[in-house]
Amino acid sequence: TQLLEQSPQFLSIQEGENLTVYCNSSSVFSSLQWYRQEPGEGPVLLVTVVTGGEVKKLKRLTFQFGDARKDSSLHITAAQPGDTGLYLCAGDPYNQGGKLIFGQGTELSVKP
Amino acid sequence: DVKVTQSSRYLVKRTGEKVFLECVQDMDHENMFWYRQDPGLGLRLIYFSYDVKMKEKGDIPEGYSVSREKKERFSLILESASTNQTSMYLCASSFSRGGTDTQYFGPGTRLTVL
Repeated sequence: TQLLEQSPQFLSIQEGENLTVYCNSSSVFSSLQWYRQEPGEGPVLLVTVVTGGEVKKLKRLTFQFGDARKDSSLHITAAQPGDTGLYLCAGDPYNQGGKLIFGQGTELSVKP
Repeated sequence: DVKVTQSSRYLVKRTGEKVFLECVQDMDHENMFWYRQDPGLGLRLIYFSYDVKMKEKGDIPEGYSVSREKKERFSLILESASTNQTSMYLCASSFSRGGTDTQYFGPGTRLTVL
């Protein structure tokens, strides 16, 4: 069974701090996605990374796909209270017809 | 914009009842998924469907069944609800079987089984 391990599970920081969330596996994925979920809502896609070593930026968020396509990280610079939410990584295993493997999630709380 | 709707936001049922959760998407997507979400466990796939009347088991199908009679609608059925099925249920859809496709999620149904 392919697994994605996310860390940390919980993160509580002050506004303006930087943080990194990690998503690791022993398996190779053809692509990896990051979703954000706010209370009472379903997850919403933030980014998809496809190429090993790829780095994508979305304003203050930087996403990286590991060279070996087994891990990914999300770095937030100068976190804002609006960044509060549950962050989920999801990997696409090869030849699984669109099925994704989700990590356990990282619950981020940014205090003003 | 893609819209995925779920029939109820909150549902309370009794042990042994048959429960139907409905999901509808309005973008002609091929793939539809049912997940359950529990704290610390992330999203776990129950069933998915890549075409009308087609279904495939996910990681935790025991105690659940599904139905997809029309492309836009995917139903999750709990034949005899049990307390360990108390959870948040999320429906999602995606355009095709390509792995880089975005999954669009509904708002979720929080089911409590007493």
